[in-house]
Amino acid sequence: EAGVTQSPTHLIKTRGQQATLRCSPISGHTSVYWYQQALGLGLQFLLWYDEGEERNRGNFPPRFSGRQFPNYSSELNVNALELEDSALYLCASSLSGGSYEQYFGPGTRLTVT
Amino acid sequence: GQQLNQSPQSMFIQEGEDVSMNCTSSSIFNTWLWYKQDPGEGPVLLIALYKAGELTSNGRLTAQFGITRKDSFLNISASIPSDVGIYFCAGKSGGYQKVTFGTGTKLQVIP
Repeated sequence: EAGVTQSPTHLIKTRGQQATLRCSPISGHTSVYWYQQALGLGLQFLLWYDEGEERNRGNFPPRFSGRQFPNYSSELNVNALELEDSALYLCASSLSGGSYEQYFGPGTRLTVT
Repeated sequence: GQQLNQSPQSMFIQEGEDVSMNCTSSSIFNTWLWYKQDPGEGPVLLIALYKAGELTSNGRLTAQFGITRKDSFLNISASIPSDVGIYFCAGKSGGYQKVTFGTGTKLQVIP
C-alpha cells in the first residue's frame, strides 16, 4: 500500500513569491494535516482538512492557506514568501474524524532566498 | 494552549544500553503517540496509546500512557546504531482538537 506522497521534494523560491505544495494521502484516509518544521525544531501544526472542510488551523498568518480536493489530496499555498518560511513542510493523513494516528509523508523542503 | 515538554532534549548512549525518555503535558490527552524521525525524512509512527495506564510494546520499544493522562514514557531496550534519530511524542485530546507535538529527543548511539 502506497504511503503519503508529497511533491515537489525540494522547492526554491525568492522572497515575495508564492509556493504551492501538494500532498496525496494514504488510500482510504480522508483527513490531511500540514506541519511546518524549521531546521532543528519541532513540528508546528498548520492546517487540518477532513472530508473537504478545514477543521482546525494553527497559529500562522493568513498567507498560509490550503484546500482539500474531492479525491482527498491537498494543496498548501504560501503567499508573499518570507525568508523565515524556509522549512520542511510535512503532510500527514489519517482516517476521518481526527481520532486516529497520523502517517507522514517525506516532506517538501522549501527554501526562500 | 496545550504544551508538551519532552525530556531529555538529547542523549548520547553506548550501543546495547537501554534508553528512557518522557513527555509531560499541561493538559489531559486521550491519545498519546510516539514517532521517530530520521534526518530529512518525515516522522514514522512507532506506538499509539489510547487508554490511561496502557503499556504497549513494538519490538524493543515500550511506551506507557501515564495514569494522570498528562504524561507518557518511551523506553528502548538494547539500543543499536539504527536507533539514531529524533523521537517525538504527540498528544491529542479528541474530536477536532489538533495533535500537539513535543520538542523532540535527539538520540545518538555510540557503537
